[in-house]
Amino acid sequence: AQRVTQPEKLLSVFKGAPVELKCNYSYSGSPELFWYVQYSRQRLQLLLRHISRESIKGFTADLNKGETSFHLKKPFAQEEDSAMYYCALAQGAQKLVFGQGTRLTINP
Amino acid sequence: NAGVTQTPKFRILKIGQSMTLQCTQDMNHNYMYWYRQDPGMGLKLIYYSVGAGITDKGEVPNGYNVSRSTTEDFPLRLELAAPSQTSVYFCASSYGAGAYGYTFGSGTRLTVV
Repeated sequence: AQRVTQPEKLLSVFKGAPVELKCNYSYSGSPELFWYVQYSRQRLQLLLRHISRESIKGFTADLNKGETSFHLKKPFAQEEDSAMYYCALAQGAQKLVFGQGTRLTINP
Repeated sequence: NAGVTQTPKFRILKIGQSMTLQCTQDMNHNYMYWYRQDPGMGLKLIYYSVGAGITDKGEVPNGYNVSRSTTEDFPLRLELAAPSQTSVYFCASSYGAGAYGYTFGSGTRLTVV
């Protein structure tokens, strides 16, 4: 079965330190993966998708098929990065499966 | 530019009551979804629709019903509210399919007492 695992429910780092939010997936086909972010009192929004190979707000994520991972990284954390982050996998052509989420807190 | 609009934002229900969560999108998206968000559990898919007149069950459909009579609207119905349905509910829409990414509504926080 398709599954997305985010092993850390909570992650706390200091401002300026590197950030890595882990995401592992299980999927038999060619995966399409996403990161969504939910800032305090805001709606969920798409942060980035692996197919675009883009960097948004300094974040990048590389698909590693060998390790079945799609970790989200940022070299220097900023306080405004504090939020809930969800990794998601497109299940077939119709819907997304979400991980449990990681709450990232950036300490000043 | 409204995007996905959900109403109400908050609601308290008594056990056994019924209610409908409304969701409307103005982007002419074919795909629409209802998720519930429980603390530490991520988002679970309740129902989804790939177009007007077509709906299908997600991972946790029990206790819910949906309809899709128009492209714009995708209401979620709770017939007999139970405490286990206390959650935050999100509606989302997508241009083509999950791989295009979703646009989410602001959520409905429902408490069943």
